[in-house]
Amino acid sequence: GAGVSQSPSNKVTEKGKDVELRCDPISGHTALYWYRQSLGQGLEFLIYFQGNSAPDKSGLPSDRFSAERTGGSVSTLTIQRTQQEDSAVYLCASSPRQGRGAFFGQGTRLTVV
Amino acid sequence: QKEVEQNSGPLSVPEGAIASLNCTYSDRGSQSFFWYRQYSGKSPELIMSIYSNGDKEDGRFTAQLNKASQYVSLLIRDSQPSDSATYLCAVGWNYGQNFVFGPGTRLSVLP
Repeated sequence: GAGVSQSPSNKVTEKGKDVELRCDPISGHTALYWYRQSLGQGLEFLIYFQGNSAPDKSGLPSDRFSAERTGGSVSTLTIQRTQQEDSAVYLCASSPRQGRGAFFGQGTRLTVV
Repeated sequence: QKEVEQNSGPLSVPEGAIASLNCTYSDRGSQSFFWYRQYSGKSPELIMSIYSNGDKEDGRFTAQLNKASQYVSLLIRDSQPSDSATYLCAVGWNYGQNFVFGPGTRLSVLP
C-alpha cells in the first residue's frame, strides 16, 4: 500500500496477557518510529529504528515493552504482561532518509481489561 | 533535553479569521520543523515542513520560522470549521530523522 499500515486496528486483551502490534512502513522509508498516545494526551515516543543501526529505545516505559524490525521493513511492538495503564493508541510512523517528516499509520487502539 | 512547547488551547477563532499557532523549542541545533494536524480519533497528518528562516506558504497555510528566537508558527488563513483539530509542532535534528513533538494546540473554528 501507499501508506503506513498497522494491525490490528483494535485490540482488547486481558490484564497479564502479551500482545503484538504490527507496523508495515512506507516502502523505501529507512526510519521507523513507535509512539503511544493516551486519551487526550500528546505523543509519547517509544522507540526509533534507522536502517541497520541500533534502535533508540530510550522511550520504552518498562522492560515489558520491546520492539523488533525485521529486514529493515516490518516492525513488531510487543508488550508482555499487559497492565491497564498500557491502554492507549499505539502509533507507528516512517520517514525517508531525506528527513521529510514522519508519516503515521492509523494506529492500534489497545484496551487492557 | 530537547523540549518543544505549545499553548494547549483551546484556541477559538471565528470562521474566516486567521488562526495563529505558536511553538518554541529548546535545542538551537534543531534543523527541521513540522506541523501536524490531528483530528479527534485520528492519527497525526503532516501538513507543513520548514527548514530555513522565513515564511513558507502552502494554500491557506503559512509556516514561519525564526531560528534566532527558537520559534516556529503556523498561520491558517480563512479558517474553516473543518480546520478544527489539534495541531502538533515537531522539531527534528539529524536531518529530520529524530523528532520531538510538542503537546499540541487544540483549535476550534466557530461557524
